[in-house]
Amino acid sequence: ETGVTQTPRHLVMGMTNKKSLKCEQHLGHNAMYWYKQSAKKPLELMFVYSLEERVENNSVPSRFSPECPNSSHLFLHLHTLQPEDSALYLCASSQDYGYEQYFGPGTRLTVT
Amino acid sequence: AQSVTQLGSHVSVSEGALVLLRCNYSSSVPPYLFWYVQYPNQGLQLLLKYTSAATLVKGINGFEAEFKKSETSFHLTKPSAHMSDAAEYFCAVTRSDSSYKLIFGSGTRLLVRP
Repeated sequence: ETGVTQTPRHLVMGMTNKKSLKCEQHLGHNAMYWYKQSAKKPLELMFVYSLEERVENNSVPSRFSPECPNSSHLFLHLHTLQPEDSALYLCASSQDYGYEQYFGPGTRLTVT
Repeated sequence: AQSVTQLGSHVSVSEGALVLLRCNYSSSVPPYLFWYVQYPNQGLQLLLKYTSAATLVKGINGFEAEFKKSETSFHLTKPSAHMSDAAEYFCAVTRSDSSYKLIFGSGTRLLVRP
């Protein structure tokens, strides 16, 4: 595997489910990011981890819970989501916080 | 604070015509600037970046962008559009003086007519 990978690519979940999104980067980077991309809205930065420490949390609801066990892996744990949370969730990594970012293909999430 | 404005949410060109996608930025310190492209159902791919070296930056797929400090612009161009260029394009800015987050523009969707 090369670059940034995300699994699953598509996810449909009910409002009472719990699921997790996974991101893995094979670039040796130190920073990882979660973004939300909704139709007709700008990219929304959700969380940033630098050297496995959370450095930014942009007022994201607590039903989204990130986890960064090491510099190569990033998870987004989801529970009791709302239909408006349906979106493309993108993971990215960069050499360090603030450098150009490399994106994964995204997980298309649909909340029913 | 940094910000990015992309003029035109949609741009339509004929195949073979010049592509011009506009990006203006504001930054209190010298910026680093980026253009990303997103094809349908995919993540963002880095097209090119400006990091204070040459003001004319060449990227992948025949795209280039020119940093103009006096106009606070970083417009993306390609001399001849190809059908495969149809995608959404994002301009982004960050500070050059310290670690800071990327600020993305709202994106411009490029349509290429046969």
